Amino acid sequence: QVQLQQSGAELAKPGSSVKISCKASGYTFTSYDISWIKQTTGQGLEYIGYINTGSGGTYYNEKFKGKATLTVDKSSSTAFMQLSSLTPEDTAVYYCARWIPDYWGQGVMVTVSS
Amino acid sequence: DIQMTQSPASLSASLEEIVTITCQASQDIGNWLAWYQQKPGKSPQLLIHSATSLADGIPSRFSGSRSGTQYSLKISRLQVEDTGIYYCLQRYSNPPTFGGGTKLELK
Repeated sequence: QVQLQQSGAELAKPGSSVKISCKASGYTFTSYDISWIKQTTGQGLEYIGYINTGSGGTYYNEKFKGKATLTVDKSSSTAFMQLSSLTPEDTAVYYCARWIPDYWGQGVMVTVSS
Repeated sequence: DIQMTQSPASLSASLEEIVTITCQASQDIGNWLAWYQQKPGKSPQLLIHSATSLADGIPSRFSGSRSGTQYSLKISRLQVEDTGIYYCLQRYSNPPTFGGGTKLELK
């Protein structure tokens, strides 16, 4: 069955970076894009961007350019998102999701606090 | 960016009642619309894609429809397990955008 397993919760200091992983299983990894989505109580759900897992080509929502960097490792069927120059406004749950999206990871809580 | 205006923001309904949630797109998005249900502490679950197609494993009491740029999610006979927050998502143009959500509770 299709699964997207994300890494664990992160507690980070302002100005630092975090890298979240999303390991796919149960399907051919390179056949579907992986999207990244931010969820906060105040802003709801926001699309960060997506990556073509075959070519590595990326799309970023203008709002997240310079904030998020999307990469993939085809050998391990894993997608990554690095968030840089963290501020308290980056505190959120971050999801990876496949394609439509149809399948979602369980989400990663990133907390930015000094 | 395409704006997705979702209504109502919250809804309280009785068991077996018919429930309808709508999303109004700010411009034409064709059938590039999906509906999701999210329960507390869980990831969103796909219910409907391509505006009207039921996702795998979703009960047939859920259905989607389109009238121009207005999209609707209908639950024909509300069940206890249908409570949660519902979101629409347009993927017609970048960036993909979500509606603000509808919180559905049992009366």
